[in-house]
Amino acid sequence: QKEVEQDPGPLSVPEGAIVSLNCTYSNSAFQYFMWYRQYSRKGPELLMYTYSSGNKEDGRFTAQVDKSSKYISLFIRDSQPSDSATYLCAMSFTGGGNKLTFGTGTQLKVEL
Amino acid sequence: GAVVSQHPSRVICKSGTSVKIECRSLDFQATTMFWYRQFPKKSLMLMATSNEGSKATYEQGVEKDKFLINHASLTLSTLTVTSAHPEDSSFYICSGFRDTEAFFGQGTRLTVV
Repeated sequence: QKEVEQDPGPLSVPEGAIVSLNCTYSNSAFQYFMWYRQYSRKGPELLMYTYSSGNKEDGRFTAQVDKSSKYISLFIRDSQPSDSATYLCAMSFTGGGNKLTFGTGTQLKVEL
Repeated sequence: GAVVSQHPSRVICKSGTSVKIECRSLDFQATTMFWYRQFPKKSLMLMATSNEGSKATYEQGVEKDKFLINHASLTLSTLTVTSAHPEDSSFYICSGFRDTEAFFGQGTRLTVV
């Protein structure tokens, strides 16, 4: 079993739709949870960063962490064609030397 | 956000030659940097942790003599792929941490012919 599981997609939605992206994990030591957006042939760009359980909102993006279920989500409201990219979840824990464990990434396409 | 600059963005080299990739933190000091490798439509796989002033720490299965890492200053880490072979062709990405947030370089697409 992989430490972090993420549906690779591809996920195709119409413009304006609400997108839900998810990751599950097995290591209960993870405390820091991140979502990155990666455009083709570019480095990942940090979108959201949360610590422990709870919700965090930033514009059209909302990140949720449920540590009891070992489940994290990223919601994108009013999706735009420019949101088309691969979305990677990543996790780390204190004492882990800042090492990130990534999901496989979900490829999202927002169509006009 | 913080800026990590990676160079070159793309390189093509002949089999058997060596290639150096640079990773610079432009607006913060990084005592530690991380080097990843990413295959098409796959996630980032950590190759090694670069430590300023000391030896790098390699992940299991990564050949340290093939992927030489040097972290000579707080703002520069380099990855040298030695005696490159076509199977080394991949997308290489570095990252550095500012506080608890990781910032990534633009990536280097290496093609070995």
